[in-house]
Parts: sequence; structure tokens; C-alpha cells
Amino acid sequence: GAVVSQHPSWVICKSGTSVKIECRSLDFQATTMFWYRQFPKQSLMLMATSNEGSKATYEQGVEKDKFLINHASLTLSTLTVTSAHPEDSSFYICSARGLRFTSGGSTDTQYFGPGTRLTVL
Amino acid sequence: KNEVEQSPQNLTAQEGEFITINCSYSVGISALHWLQQHPGGGIVSLFMLSSGKKKHGRLIATINIQEKHSSLHITASHPRDSAVYICAGDTGRRALTFGSGTRLQVQP
Repeated sequence: GAVVSQHPSWVICKSGTSVKIECRSLDFQATTMFWYRQFPKQSLMLMATSNEGSKATYEQGVEKDKFLINHASLTLSTLTVTSAHPEDSSFYICSARGLRFTSGGSTDTQYFGPGTRLTVL
Repeated sequence: KNEVEQSPQNLTAQEGEFITINCSYSVGISALHWLQQHPGGGIVSLFMLSSGKKKHGRLIATINIQEKHSSLHITASHPRDSAVYICAGDTGRRALTFGSGTRLQVQP
């Protein structure tokens, strides 16, 4: 079953509004979460890396004041697209990394969320 | 040269065929991931390998650490296997390093 969830799975908003996307690790503690965006038929582009309890590290060219990332707990990170514009329309994907405990022990693991499709009108 | 390279970029197969997608990497990695993405859909983690071989249903993933090479095999392929398959190396540096993906189309 899914170990990382995203909410919402899709959202349509008006230009100028802000949209918050949640990423949750369901059965492990994610010390690090990554946020990606993906344009049609293109590869994933890393936007930022967030570690629990500290400020996110943004990739070059990504506006930190526009894409606000919060990683307040070991199971939740949020990405807020502020003052969204049509060019922000994209597929946003998170991944979560941490130790996952099973009957066989623990594994440093990384799983992807199902993605959020944002359309800004 | 990309640190993680995949081949082929595009692959068309007939239903029932055995499919192999290759991935080679030029950097040290602690693990290699195989991911699947259906058109318009999210990413599904298929395998995470650090050595040897893993099998899940009709999917088999192998990795050769010495040769820095991994393969993803699909046995008895089906049209629902049509997707983009991505290998990604975990170099320990923050996020994964992605290959460019292999677009697979399985025709009935």
C-alpha cells in the first residue's frame, strides 16, 4: 500500500490565490522530504529539500518566497504556492526519505507521493 | 554525460514479450531505484536495490555493483505495463539522481 500520500490530488484555482499541498509519510518517519515539479513529458525537476524542523534548501532558480515549504513534523511537509499564476500550473510530487522499520529490521528508504496536479486559471 | 543513463529511451513491444530496460551509472551509489509513471499519473516505487536481484510479480530487477549496471525486466508484458520507467541512483547527496526514463508502449 501507499506509504506516502499527497493532498489534494488535483486542484484548480484562480490566478492570485495561494494553494497548499500536503505530503505525508504514512508508516515511517521522514527526516527529509523532497519537492519536485514535472511538466508534461519531462523529467522530474527538484525544487527543494526540507529537513524536519529546519528551513528548506531550494534549488537554483526556485523562488523561496513563492514556494513556501514547511516540514514541521516527521510525517508532514507542506508546499504552498503563493499568488499562483498560470505558469505555475504543473504536476507537483513529493518524496519522503527516512528509516522504515519492518519485521526484518530497518531500511533507509525513499518513497514518492502520487502527485498533485495544479491548474491555475 | 549524465550520471545515470537509461536505454532505450523508447520501447514498443507486443503483448507477451519479455522486456528489458537498462540503467548504467557513473557515480557511487548506496541504492538504485526503479520507478514507474503512467501517463498523467504519479510515481510508483517498484524496487530499491543495493545488491543482487529482486522480484515482484512479473517484474524483476537486478543490479551489478562492480559493473555499475542495473536492469529491469518485465515478463509476459501486458498493455497495462505501458508507462515511463525511471531508474534513479541514491548517491547520498540529498535527492535521487534520475535517469531520463524509458517510455514503454506494449501493444495488444
